Amino acid sequence: SQQGEEDPQALSIQEGENATMNCSYKTSINNLQWYRQNSGRGLVHLILIRSNEREKHSGRLRVTLDTSKKSSSLLITASRAADTASYFCATTIGDSWGKLQFGAGTQVVVTP
Amino acid sequence: GAVVSQHPSWVICKSGTSVKIECRSLDFQATTMFWYRQFPKQSLMLMATSNEGSKATYEQGVEKDKFLINHASLTLSTLTVTSAHPEDSSFYICSAAVVGGNQPQHFGDGTRLSIL
Repeated sequence: SQQGEEDPQALSIQEGENATMNCSYKTSINNLQWYRQNSGRGLVHLILIRSNEREKHSGRLRVTLDTSKKSSSLLITASRAADTASYFCATTIGDSWGKLQFGAGTQVVVTP
Repeated sequence: GAVVSQHPSWVICKSGTSVKIECRSLDFQATTMFWYRQFPKQSLMLMATSNEGSKATYEQGVEKDKFLINHASLTLSTLTVTSAHPEDSSFYICSAAVVGGNQPQHFGDGTRLSIL
């Protein structure tokens, strides 16, 4: 079963705007990861945030984690057309090392 | 670094055929590989976890006799869809990882399987 739920399911923005998507999960986690998937391709790892971290940055990406609310957000700043993709959060839980449970994903479309 | 190659990228075959999909870690040794299935516009569903030299661990509801997994070396895992039928048509994705906490998985580009 899926651990996480993401919202929105779809997001359409213009280049230069920021895109924010959220992920909620149900059980305690070891870490939370965000991945990007271009249409018909595999997943590309974006950021991993540990359960004891609250915020992490990588380039134009900013991830926050609130373990009290069991939620995370991914912010893409100054979006580009190349950011068009589906974005998934995934969690590893308990002692099931490496087993990822993915959220439903947010489909982001960035128009020039 | 951390490149995972998946082959083939696209397969079309007749019902009843068995199809083998390869997943290779090109520049690192993967102690564990994972196989996922993804339906259109849906998320990834973990099918099985494959450790080198041991039997794969299948998720609930996944038929191990239908989806045979072999992890013969630290750089290669294969998924064989046996006697494939149209309902097996899907996008199959593998990932590879090195044992150790808080490390990301590295994904192949997926295999689109279409059974006629």
